[in-house]
Amino acid sequence: RKEVEQDPGPFNVPEGATVAFNCTYSNSASQSFFWYRQDCRKEPKLLMSVYSSGNEDGRFTAQLNRASQYISLLIRDSKLSDSATYLCVVPNTGTASKLTFGTGTRLQVTL
Amino acid sequence: DTGVSQNPRHKITKRGQNVTFRCDPISEHNRLYWYRQTLGQGPEFLTYFQNEAQLEKSRLLSDRFSAERPKGSFSTLEIQRTEQGDSAMYLCATSRTVGYTFGSGTRLTVV
Repeated sequence: RKEVEQDPGPFNVPEGATVAFNCTYSNSASQSFFWYRQDCRKEPKLLMSVYSSGNEDGRFTAQLNRASQYISLLIRDSKLSDSATYLCVVPNTGTASKLTFGTGTRLQVTL
Repeated sequence: DTGVSQNPRHKITKRGQNVTFRCDPISEHNRLYWYRQTLGQGPEFLTYFQNEAQLEKSRLLSDRFSAERPKGSFSTLEIQRTEQGDSAMYLCATSRTVGYTFGSGTRLTVV
């Protein structure tokens, strides 16, 4: 099993739609998780942190299911500006605090 | 500019040449990471510094790659005898505790 696995997409949705991405991880000892957003040819930027069962920030909701080792990201009322690649990220449990990234899920929001 | 700065932004080099990239972190950030990202993939960890000490290196970092952070501030990543497979975006990220800030990256093209 890959350390972090995501559906690469692309997900093509109309403006206003609700879309959800899932991510599975292999290290059951992982305690915290992140979703990063990456625009084309730009660096990744932190979107949300998930430390317990979930986190909500406006139109974005991240949920964590430790038993099944998956994390989800829900985007409600999609905007054109949400078009990007969404990276699921799991920190290493060692001392280096390095991050393991999924391959990313590409979202394209259309009119 | 108080962000993470990477130079150059783009580098085109002939196969077999040496290249060096520079990363200037956010001041007070004692942790510095180098990642590599190829098209359609998430960033992959290369190496990690805490202050001037290089504490972890990925097996992806072959003998042709070397990184330094001589005074615990800026860092350099050198690739010797470049190969076409080295073409990628090289991302630097820094942090103080939790949470990364990425630089804009250096895009390397080996022709």
